[in-house]
Amino acid sequence: AQSVTQLDSQVPVFEEAPVELRCNYSSSVSVYLFWYVQYPNQGLQLLLKYLSGSTLVESINGFEAEFNKSQTSFHLRKPSVHISDTAEYFCAVSDRGGANNLFFGTGTRLTVIP
Amino acid sequence: EAQVTQNPRYLITVTGKKLTVTCSQNMNHEYMSWYRQDPGLGLRQIYYSMNVEVTDKGDVPEGYKVSRKEKRNFPLILESPSPNQTSLYFCASSSPGTTAYGYTFGSGTRLTVV
Repeated sequence: AQSVTQLDSQVPVFEEAPVELRCNYSSSVSVYLFWYVQYPNQGLQLLLKYLSGSTLVESINGFEAEFNKSQTSFHLRKPSVHISDTAEYFCAVSDRGGANNLFFGTGTRLTVIP
Repeated sequence: EAQVTQNPRYLITVTGKKLTVTCSQNMNHEYMSWYRQDPGLGLRQIYYSMNVEVTDKGDVPEGYKVSRKEKRNFPLILESPSPNQTSLYFCASSSPGTTAYGYTFGSGTRLTVV
């Protein structure tokens, strides 16, 4: 079975500062990795995903995440955050066995301070 | 527009009164799933379905039922709701056979059981 750990439940950061949201996973099989974002009072939106190939994946709004197999991590980073990035971020893992079953971390609430 | 539609968005009910939360997707996805979101616990899977008439328990199935009679619909049934089922519920769908992976989520149903 898979599990996901997001160590930071809350991350406050000043506008235009860099941010890293940490995600570690455990799995006995090869996995797919995802980051989802939930803006206030909304559902979850897929931010980016790692399926295979390049270990660095990017989203259209400036976030990136790097898959590190040896450290079983998939940390999310952005070099300069904006007020509109304030949201809750969830890391998720799915095994490659085909069930496409997603296991979520407990979430990190990112608050961007003006 | 490709989407997952949940109804209702908000529901307040009393203990023991049966209720159904509907979920419908228009993307011809095989895979559908129900999650509940609670503060500090992230999203936990209740039930999932890999196709019509194929359903299975997730991590927290107690007190819930589902059915998958048609590919597009996956209702969540609470036969006798209790206050500990007060939560934010999300329906999601995906298609394992494509390279897209990752779920499409509905907007959520906030349920309060008093």
